[in-house]
Amino acid sequence: GENVEQHPSTLSVQEGDSAVIKCTYSDSASNYFPWYKQELGKRPQLIIDIRSNVGEKKDQRIAVTLNKTAKHFSLHITETQPEDSAVYFCAASRHNDMRFGAGTRLTVKP
Amino acid sequence: DAMVIQNPRYQVTQFGKPVTLSCSQTLNHNVMYWYQQKSSQAPKLLFHYYDKDFNNEADTPDNFQSRRPNTSFCFLDIRSPGLGDAAMYLCATTPEGAGEQYFGPGTRLTVT
Repeated sequence: GENVEQHPSTLSVQEGDSAVIKCTYSDSASNYFPWYKQELGKRPQLIIDIRSNVGEKKDQRIAVTLNKTAKHFSLHITETQPEDSAVYFCAASRHNDMRFGAGTRLTVKP
Repeated sequence: DAMVIQNPRYQVTQFGKPVTLSCSQTLNHNVMYWYQQKSSQAPKLLFHYYDKDFNNEADTPDNFQSRRPNTSFCFLDIRSPGLGDAAMYLCATTPEGAGEQYFGPGTRLTVT
């Protein structure tokens, strides 16, 4: 089955700096890669996603890159703000199943 | 408007006493999922339904069962809750195939 690894587990940045979170996956048939943001006590919220036929996608301050050959994908947040502080999960999906990475706790210091 | 609804939001049950959590959706999605999320961990997939087709994860304990009587509703039954089953239980839906999952607000289960 699919195995998703995520690094780092914690990340602390200064407001305005960039943050990068990286994930690798094992199943080359996976074709959908979402990133979720989860605040304490709340449900995961999709912030950006990418499909396997695309190498990069950007939405304002957030971007995701995918390297299918290496089976890794990354989340990039630029100009970080304190409200970006949360736990971020990557995930990989092939059909109807989805596997999550272990999560990254991002802290943005004002 | 709520799209994926979970009831109750908080549930307290006693050790060994069966409990049922419910999920309903107004999206008419074919696929419904149940996840277990413990503190500071990732959501762990327990099982999912593709329409009426039930798919159990290999490592989901037999203590966990599920029912989907129709497209809109899905239930998670925990037959004999143990202390280790205390967690947030998340329901999610997707139209079909690999795509965005829409999560409900979750039910936080406490086992006393």
